[in-house]
Amino acid sequence: DAGITQSPRHKVTETGTPVTLRCHQTENHRYMYWYRQDPGHGLRLIHYSYGVKDTDKGEVSDGYSVSRSKTEDFLLTLESATSSQTSVYFCAISGGAGDHEKLFFGSGTQLSVL
Amino acid sequence: KQEVTQIPAALSVPEGENLVLNCSFTDSAIYNLQWFRQDPGKGLTSLLLIQSSQREQTSGRLNASLDKSSGRSTLYIAASQPGDSATYLCAVRDNYGQNFVFGPGTRLSVLP
Repeated sequence: DAGITQSPRHKVTETGTPVTLRCHQTENHRYMYWYRQDPGHGLRLIHYSYGVKDTDKGEVSDGYSVSRSKTEDFLLTLESATSSQTSVYFCAISGGAGDHEKLFFGSGTQLSVL
Repeated sequence: KQEVTQIPAALSVPEGENLVLNCSFTDSAIYNLQWFRQDPGKGLTSLLLIQSSQREQTSGRLNASLDKSSGRSTLYIAASQPGDSATYLCAVRDNYGQNFVFGPGTRLSVLP
């Protein structure tokens, strides 16, 4: 398995509180992604990073921010959590060239916003 | 905007059958296509990656084909086993960026 660790695995929080999810990789892959998975919507890209301090928005970026200060870590922050952000969040990585373009996923974080 | 669909949404077959899962995409300007497997409560596992210049890829009992001009890919599973039960998703990466657009998945049940 690709070395991707997401933390926490489960989190319950209240509306209006800030939440940070962490993704850590040991593969030295260039690209890192945050997706959310919801019934009826499938997997949707929130933000991605193509290098340290280089990030871009995805399809559903409103209400989320990201940071990547080191190659191995990609943080997703919900500045003020809302119930619509209850979801399963997946981090993914890819190397970006040839077979390294394969996406490898973490195990996910189940977030519940009450 | 790229859209990806998968048919059927769910499939139940007896063990040993050969089966085909379908993936369609609306914009043929893709860079590559991947097939994934997802077990309940787990992340996605990459099965096969097909570059836009390739027609098919094989791994064990799995074979994926790509017809870019018609916007279709198929995943063929030979001699299905109960352990193949999972949701199978396809995703396309277009030529315009690093985004991968996912289909909704096909939920497969292989009955012993």
